[in-house]
Order: sequence, then structure tokens, then C-alpha cells
Amino acid sequence: EAGVTQFPSHSVIEKGQTVTLRCDPISGHDNLYWYRRVMGKEIKFLLHFVKESKQDESGMPNNRFLAERTGGTYSTLKVQPAELEDSGVYFCASSPVDVNYGYTFGSGTRLTVV
Amino acid sequence: AQSVTQLGSHVSVSEGALVLLRCNYSSSVPPYLFWYVQYPNQGLQLLLKYTTGATLVKGINGFEAEFKKSETSFHLTKPSAHMSDAAEYFCAVIQYGNNRLAFGKGNQVVVIP
Repeated sequence: EAGVTQFPSHSVIEKGQTVTLRCDPISGHDNLYWYRRVMGKEIKFLLHFVKESKQDESGMPNNRFLAERTGGTYSTLKVQPAELEDSGVYFCASSPVDVNYGYTFGSGTRLTVV
Repeated sequence: AQSVTQLGSHVSVSEGALVLLRCNYSSSVPPYLFWYVQYPNQGLQLLLKYTTGATLVKGINGFEAEFKKSETSFHLTKPSAHMSDAAEYFCAVIQYGNNRLAFGKGNQVVVIP
């Protein structure tokens, strides 16, 4: 089966610009998560979708971040306007309903804001 | 909330020597524990996991981990390091009630020839 796909793999944008990251989960996985790792820090939870609904978005840093999952398939994470501290690697993961099976992560998007 | 602690951000090991990465967790309920590995320029890959059952868990690439409730630990080991084991390793626990993964800070493993 295809894994979790994220694109772009890298993005370099200027402060104040907008960037949209995309994640395609494994087909049939209801749960979709976004995580972020800022350089030198831990991987931190951002939000969790169950199908198209936001189950938990308590990890979103501020209202410059907007995540969507229309139709319960792929998800997008938009940062508008981007700030320097938004730089990092953004990971997407998906899992079946039973989390005992674990999460499958994508390769991540490395975002650099200059 | 559940959390994990990984000490020592960088770990150097000689090729052929034992790899030991320590992970301690805090949890008020039986935890689900994971080890992930990130090879250079790749995503996070599941090495192994503990949910229920046997406390010694075997994973990919010769790694294994043992869940020890009395020590609140889930240390990762591999008897003999290979150059291809150079990567960053993360211990993680599922947080009860919300299914989030809480990660440790990671261990960057360097294998010395």
C-alpha cells in the first residue's frame, strides 16, 4: 500500500508569505495528525483529524495556522503569514481507528522562513 | 499527561558494539510505547511498539526493546551496531484519552568504524 505522502518536501519562503503544506494519508485511515519539529526541539503535536472533523487542535501555535481536511481524505496546513519561528519540519501521520497499529508518518516538509 | 525522557542527545557507538538507547516514561495508565527512527533525509519509521502482551518486543533491523513497568522504562537495544544504524531515534508514548504521540527529544546515533 502507498504510504503517507507529503509535499512539498522542502519549501523556502520569505517572512510574510503564505505556504500550504499537503498530506495524503494512507487510504482508509480515518485519523490524520500533524506534528512539527523546530530545530533542536522535540517533535510536537499540532492537531488531529478524525475523517474531516478536527478532533483536537490544541497544539496549533496561533491563528496564522489553518488546517483543513475536506472530504476526509488529504489535508492541508496553511501558514499565513509565515514568521521566522515557523521554520522546522512538519510531519503528517495517519492511523486506522485502532491506534494499536501505530502511526505511519510521512517524510515531512522542511519549511524554512527567511 | 504522559511523557517520555531520552537522555543524551548524541550517542556514539563503535561498529559491532552494543547499541543502548534509554527511554523512561511517565504515565498513570498502562502506556502504549513506540520507538521511531529517522534516517537522513527521510521520514519517521516505526522500529517497534509495545501495546500489550509480551514485554520484550522485537522490531526491524535487529532492534528490540523491553517494557519494564517497575522501572517505567522502554530501552532500545541492538547487540551489534552497523554503519547503517546511524540515524536519529525517538521514543514516544500515546497519551491516554487523546491518542496524541508525545515524543522524547531524540538520540542522534553516530556509528564509529
